[in-house]
Amino acid sequence: DAGITQSPRYKITETGRQVTLMCHQTWSHSYMFWYRQDLGHGLRLIYYSAAADITDKGEVPDGYVVSRSKTENFPLTLESATRSQTSVYFCASSDISAGGTLLAMKQFFGPGTRLTVL
Amino acid sequence: KNEVEQSPQNLTAQEGEFITINCSYSVGISALHWLQQHPGGGIVSLFMLSSGKKKHGRLIATINIQEKHSSLHITASHPRDSAVYICAVGNTGNQFYFGTGTSLTVIP
Repeated sequence: DAGITQSPRYKITETGRQVTLMCHQTWSHSYMFWYRQDLGHGLRLIYYSAAADITDKGEVPDGYVVSRSKTENFPLTLESATRSQTSVYFCASSDISAGGTLLAMKQFFGPGTRLTVL
Repeated sequence: KNEVEQSPQNLTAQEGEFITINCSYSVGISALHWLQQHPGGGIVSLFMLSSGKKKHGRLIATINIQEKHSSLHITASHPRDSAVYICAVGNTGNQFYFGTGTSLTVIP
């Protein structure tokens, strides 16, 4: 089915380990986003990508790495996981804005990945 | 300092009631979004607006740019409307700000 998927949906890891969260969309949307959601903070943007091989930092990029070699995939890597990175991670995608800004486009969200770092 | 403030944080209503959720923001924006997060965690974009009013079914969203305020109204509320409603704004500098959400419970 078309849409945006994330894997894994649940992940438990240990401090210091590398973890990669996957995001895949089938709409060929240009823009993709990674957010984290924590109690009391709401959603916060980690990284976004305007196209393949183009990425940019969001509000909370430290400790995360992204890549986008293909339009449909946007993996998020925690190079050395820390307990503070325990969170729910959402991937989203949106189509090209007609001259507007990033948030002037409807975003489609994946189901989320719940990550626990012990 | 929160750039986006929502009120109330929690709301319980009887089925059929008219519901209003408010969003105030302190930054200049290019667009405002209302999102719905279901109890299972999934997030759906309900509205994107930069002026005026939009309506979709029983949902109405309004924005007053001068007052930096938006409201989401639900008419004839139903238990399936129970969710967290999130206000999000973006400015011309491509910065995003999200509210912490309003948790709505509609009781049959």
